[in-house]
Amino acid sequence: NAGVTQTPKFRILKIGQSMTLQCTQDMNHNYMYWYRQDPGMGLKLIYYSVGAGITDKGEVPNGYNVSRSTTEDFPLRLELAAPSQTSVYFCASSYSLEDGYTFGSGTRLTVV
Amino acid sequence: GNSVTQMEGPVTLSEEAFLTINCTYTATGYPSLFWYVQYPGEGLQLLLKATKADDKGSNKGFEATYRKETTSFHLEKGSVQVSDSAVYFCALKDSSYKLIFGSGTRLLVRP
Repeated sequence: NAGVTQTPKFRILKIGQSMTLQCTQDMNHNYMYWYRQDPGMGLKLIYYSVGAGITDKGEVPNGYNVSRSTTEDFPLRLELAAPSQTSVYFCASSYSLEDGYTFGSGTRLTVV
Repeated sequence: GNSVTQMEGPVTLSEEAFLTINCTYTATGYPSLFWYVQYPGEGLQLLLKATKADDKGSNKGFEATYRKETTSFHLEKGSVQVSDSAVYFCALKDSSYKLIFGSGTRLLVRP
C-alpha cells in the first residue's frame, strides 16, 4: 500500500497563478481532509470530505476549492494564489475516525 | 466548543531525561484521544491513542493515560533520545467528522 500520496512535494507560484494540489489514497478511506501548516504553527483545516461527492468547509476555506469525484482522490485547487497561501499543505484520510488519520508527506508551496 | 490545549514549547531536554508534555481537553462525552509526532520535513504520524477513560496508549517507549477526571492525556517517556526531537500534537475525536488538534509542542533533545 502506498498510503496517502501528495504531489507535488514543492512548488513556487507567482501571485495570481492557479494550481491543483493532488492527493490520492489507496486504502479505501471515506474520510479525507486538507490542512495547512504555517511555519512554526499548528494545523488549520481547509476542507474535508466524508465520501465521494460530499465536501464541506473547514476553518480556512477562502481562496481554495475541492472536489471528490472518487473515493481515492481529493484535489485542492488554488485559483488566484496570494502570498498568504505560502504554507505546507497536508492531506489526510481515515477509514474510522476512532483510528485517527493517515497523513501524506505534504506539499510545500511558496507564493511570490 | 471542543478544544485541545497543549503546553507551550519548545521543551529542551538532555538525552536520557524524563519527558512530560501536557495535554488537556474540553469536550462533551467520551472523546477518543491521540498523540501524533511530526519529524522535521515530514507529515504527522500517529504515535498512540486511547479510546476510553483510564486507557493507556503506548508506543516506542511513549505512554499517555486517558484521565477523565482531570480531562488530560499527558505524553510521557522515561528516557528521551536525540532522535525523539520533533513536534508533538495532541488531538481528540469528538462526535463530528474530524479530529481537533492542539497547537503542537516542539521537543529538542540535546546529546
